[in-house]
Amino acid sequence: AQSVSQHNHHVILSEAASLELGCNYSYGGTVNLFWYVQYPGQHLQLLLKYFSGDPLVKGIKGFEAEFIKSKFSFNLRKPSVQWSDTAEYFCAVREGTALIFGKGTTLSVSS
Amino acid sequence: EAGVTQFPSHSVIEKGQTVTLRCDPISGHDNLYWYRRVMGKEIKFLLHFVKESKQDESGMPNNRFLAERTGGTYSTLKVQPAELEDSGVYFCASSRTSGFTDTQYFGPGTRLTVL
Repeated sequence: AQSVSQHNHHVILSEAASLELGCNYSYGGTVNLFWYVQYPGQHLQLLLKYFSGDPLVKGIKGFEAEFIKSKFSFNLRKPSVQWSDTAEYFCAVREGTALIFGKGTTLSVSS
Repeated sequence: EAGVTQFPSHSVIEKGQTVTLRCDPISGHDNLYWYRRVMGKEIKFLLHFVKESKQDESGMPNNRFLAERTGGTYSTLKVQPAELEDSGVYFCASSRTSGFTDTQYFGPGTRLTVL
């Protein structure tokens, strides 16, 4: 069965700093990968997803992620974070119709 | 369009009691999923409905959990009797199809506390 590792439990950044959150999944083959975000008091929402094609995926709110098959990785990036990016971020891989999530990374951005 | 809704938002019950959680998917979404996040752990898949049929219930922890989806619309998840380890946030999600390109849209979750 698939598993997902998110390397950082809590990341603290200042506004305008660059962000990279790590995500690794356990085994290869064809994978469908996702990043979800949960802002304080809100529900989980999709940031971006990868199915095939260009390994650099653009999402909402200036986020992007790069799929590197050889490293089993799907890291999330944003060049310049804002205070409003404070949230919990979840990486997930599809297995059958289920999503397999990592433990999540809490991002705190100070203004 | 309205998103996925869940009721209640919070529930506090004592060990041994019964609790029923409800999920209303986005209108027209045949696929409904339940997930659970125990504190400090990852969000885990519980089961998947296609219309009123259980497609995959491999994640259900034990027979104290019963999920139903009457008429292929809303779904309920009953825990009977509740145990301390059942505490956590229960998320519901829905998607129009179960195709691999389709997005699962999540509800706000129900926070269950078992004392």
